Amino acid sequence: KQEVTQIPAALSVPEGENLVLNCSFTDSAIYNLQWFRQDPGKGLTSLLLIQSSQREQTSGRLNASLDKSSGRSTLYIAASQPGDSATYLCAVDSSNTGKLIFGQGTTLQVKP
Amino acid sequence: GAVVSQHPSRVICKSGTSVKIECRSLDFQATTMFWYRQFPKKSLMLMATSNEGSKATYEQGVEKDKFLINHASLTLSTLTVTSAHPEDSSFYICSAVSGVTNEKLFFGSGTQLSVL
Repeated sequence: KQEVTQIPAALSVPEGENLVLNCSFTDSAIYNLQWFRQDPGKGLTSLLLIQSSQREQTSGRLNASLDKSSGRSTLYIAASQPGDSATYLCAVDSSNTGKLIFGQGTTLQVKP
Repeated sequence: GAVVSQHPSRVICKSGTSVKIECRSLDFQATTMFWYRQFPKKSLMLMATSNEGSKATYEQGVEKDKFLINHASLTLSTLTVTSAHPEDSSFYICSAVSGVTNEKLFFGSGTQLSVL
């Protein structure tokens, strides 16, 4: 059974810092991995999608890497801003159907 | 871009009543939709897979008679929480798959259910 774990559960940094969020999964047989952002009481915003054949994806200040064999992914946020404060979720698709298994999330607070 | 509309965004109801949540794909046809549940400060847990024109597939531990799912058209899936109890209070969110590839996956904005 696929399990997804995110570390740390919470993170607080001063504005401007670069930071890394970690995600690990127990079964390396995945089709893709996705990072989402969730604001309190809101739905999900997709940030980056990495296919199993890819090593990384970049969008603006965000960079996500994937090491499928070791079951790990990282989300790198450069030059963090207070507007980046949110919960970040990673999720894997092990069935290629869109059915996602989510991690518990990392709640990020960026202080001005 | 493709949009998934989820309604209502927030609902408060009394114990024993039933609540229907709608998930609509606005500009694409979704043969498959997923329903998730999220407890406070917890992750999203998949409840069921909704397939157009067929019965939903429920995850282990999810009561079929409690959480009724209907996917009557290619653009609409509904989740009905029957005889709601306070422990059903949660954030419910749907997602819809567009097209042949599951790369096109879109989430609704979620529904916060509070049962008194």
